[in-house]
Amino acid sequence: QVQLVESGGGVVQPGRSLRLSCAASGFTFSSYGMHWVRQAPGKGLEWVAVIWYDGSNKYYADSVKGRFTISRDNSKNTLYLQMNSLRAEDTAVYYCARVQHYYDSSGRDAFDIWGQGTMVTVSS
Amino acid sequence: VIWMTQSPSLLSASTGDRVTISCRMSQGISSYLAWYQQKPGKAPELLIYAASTLQSGVPSRFSGSGSGTDFTLTISCLQSEDFATYYCQQYYSFPWTFGQGTKVEIK
Repeated sequence: QVQLVESGGGVVQPGRSLRLSCAASGFTFSSYGMHWVRQAPGKGLEWVAVIWYDGSNKYYADSVKGRFTISRDNSKNTLYLQMNSLRAEDTAVYYCARVQHYYDSSGRDAFDIWGQGTMVTVSS
Repeated sequence: VIWMTQSPSLLSASTGDRVTISCRMSQGISSYLAWYQQKPGKAPELLIYAASTLQSGVPSRFSGSGSGTDFTLTISCLQSEDFATYYCQQYYSFPWTFGQGTKVEIK
């Protein structure tokens, strides 16, 4: 079945780095744009980053721009989020999410498949 | 940035009630709006996209309406499994943004 599985979360000290992974299965990963969305404990959803299906475009929220890098390896059906210079306010559950339509190049697409999330805690 | 105002933040209702959640945009987004349901400890699930199109598998008691700046999610007859938090999201322009969420709780 169509599935996204995140991994790589954990407890990390402020200023350190962490790389999250999102393994896709059950669909043609290389045909879909992918997003990262996070949710701080007890808070709402915050969009983090997006990468086009072919990796040609990437966009970031201002809160993570310059610190986080989204990437994908279509040969491994895997999405990544490299998080550097982590701050306490980056503490959250991180979800990867797929856009609805394949080969979308507009960015105007809802998120129809979500992973279960991976928790990142930034604390000394 | 498109700002979103979702209301109410908390809604107390009983099984069988008709409930309505509102989402207002700071600028027009045509119909590029989605609604998601999230239960505690779980990932969000897509309910409605393009403001009024029901995602496959979502019960017909859920409906969405609106365009431009004002949107509504309606649950026609609240069921026990519908007690959850609901988020609107605009995907008209970068950065993609979510509403603050509406928690639907048992009265």
